[in-house]
Amino acid sequence: KNEVEQSPQNLTAQEGEFITINCSYSVGISALHWLQQHPGGGIVSLFMLSSGKKKHGRLIATINIQEKHSSLHITASHPRDSAVYICAVSSRYNTDKLIFGTGTRLQVFP
Amino acid sequence: DAGVIQSPRHEVTEMGQEVTLRCKPISGHDYLFWYRQTMMRGLELLIYFNNNVPIDDSGMPEDRFSAKMPNASFSTLKIQPSEPRDSAVYFCASSLAPSGPQHFGDGTRLSIL
Repeated sequence: KNEVEQSPQNLTAQEGEFITINCSYSVGISALHWLQQHPGGGIVSLFMLSSGKKKHGRLIATINIQEKHSSLHITASHPRDSAVYICAVSSRYNTDKLIFGTGTRLQVFP
Repeated sequence: DAGVIQSPRHEVTEMGQEVTLRCKPISGHDYLFWYRQTMMRGLELLIYFNNNVPIDDSGMPEDRFSAKMPNASFSTLKIQPSEPRDSAVYFCASSLAPSGPQHFGDGTRLSIL
């Protein structure tokens, strides 16, 4: 079993829909990261959080440390949000290294 | 800020050849990471450096892979000899702090024929 699990693996949506991507992890963590990888291949760090909630534009990330679960929400989705979203955690016992989920491929259609 | 710079962007070579991938981290970032991404295995950490010193190379597949960081502004990942199964996208990333946000380069798409 992977230490970081994401769901769903693939997600399609119509423009304007509210989107939720989930991430569960099994290790103690110091931080959780959400990354975005566009079809061109570049990877961008969206959020780093260790508690509560963070918001950036139409993106919201939440984390529940007790339940070892995080969600990434996209409000008013747009075709340019189409990308792979990757959850990664920094283990509490080795904070230097990221453990990656397998990613969620999102396609938003106009 | 120029971001993390990787070169080349694409590399196609025949098996058995030596391949060298290059990375320039963001100035002031003390941590540098080399990752490999494949369809089958996703993103995998190969090796990372702190202040130019290799800290963990447990992800390096085998002796054919080596990485160096001769100074704070340059790192190389070398594969010798290369094999078709090494075909992947190789990313370099840097960060200011151990568990801080990592800044990724655009990657090198490597194809070994």
